[in-house]
Amino acid sequence: GAGVSQSPRYKVAKRGQDVALRCDPISGHVSLFWYQQALGQGPEFLTYFQNEAQLDKSGLPSDRFFAERPEGSVSTLKIQRTQQEDSAVYLCASSVRQGGTNTEAFFGQGTRLTVV
Amino acid sequence: GNSVTQMEGPVTLSEEAFLTINCTYTATGYPSLFWYVQYPGEGLQLLLKATKADDKGSNKGFEATYRKETTSFHLEKGSVQVSDSAVYFCALSSTAGNKLTFGGGTRVLVKP
Repeated sequence: GAGVSQSPRYKVAKRGQDVALRCDPISGHVSLFWYQQALGQGPEFLTYFQNEAQLDKSGLPSDRFFAERPEGSVSTLKIQRTQQEDSAVYLCASSVRQGGTNTEAFFGQGTRLTVV
Repeated sequence: GNSVTQMEGPVTLSEEAFLTINCTYTATGYPSLFWYVQYPGEGLQLLLKATKADDKGSNKGFEATYRKETTSFHLEKGSVQVSDSAVYFCALSSTAGNKLTFGGGTRVLVKP
């Protein structure tokens, strides 16, 4: 079935490189989330979109992190000048309605970023 | 702010044993509570949820009850199978927000 798709699955970047991570949410899902999951930890919230509007970016760790969803479907998380501490799995999730605590979020398999 | 604390793993069990994973939370208002599971090589999947105090979520033989008085949402299963081997995450979503706050995860390994 068509779930949340993320690409690439794995990315190795040299320190200082820029990277772009892509998320294809489930078709028709209004809400889209990005999370960062460090090794052995739980996911931590980065940012949230409702359609094309970025309503919450409080979790972005620095101004090197930027996310966009220009047409309200596919989203890209960009990290500029990558640092070793950026190494993590980046998870994308989408949900059908605009937030609400009863709305189930469906997760992609993530992109594992390793900065060397 | 919101936070979730769950027992550290790994938890190693024999098949048909009883499983409990403790989860406590701190939150403002009346959050919804969730258990997500991550099987090897797969993405996070919702296992069960509860949206108000005393609600019991259940799925695939797993259960958890929303206890407001103890701010807890412990996960239980009466008889585990090898296929239950996974990492389990407790999470909450606040009443006003959309984002999930996760615990650190508990790895469960069930041996035949």
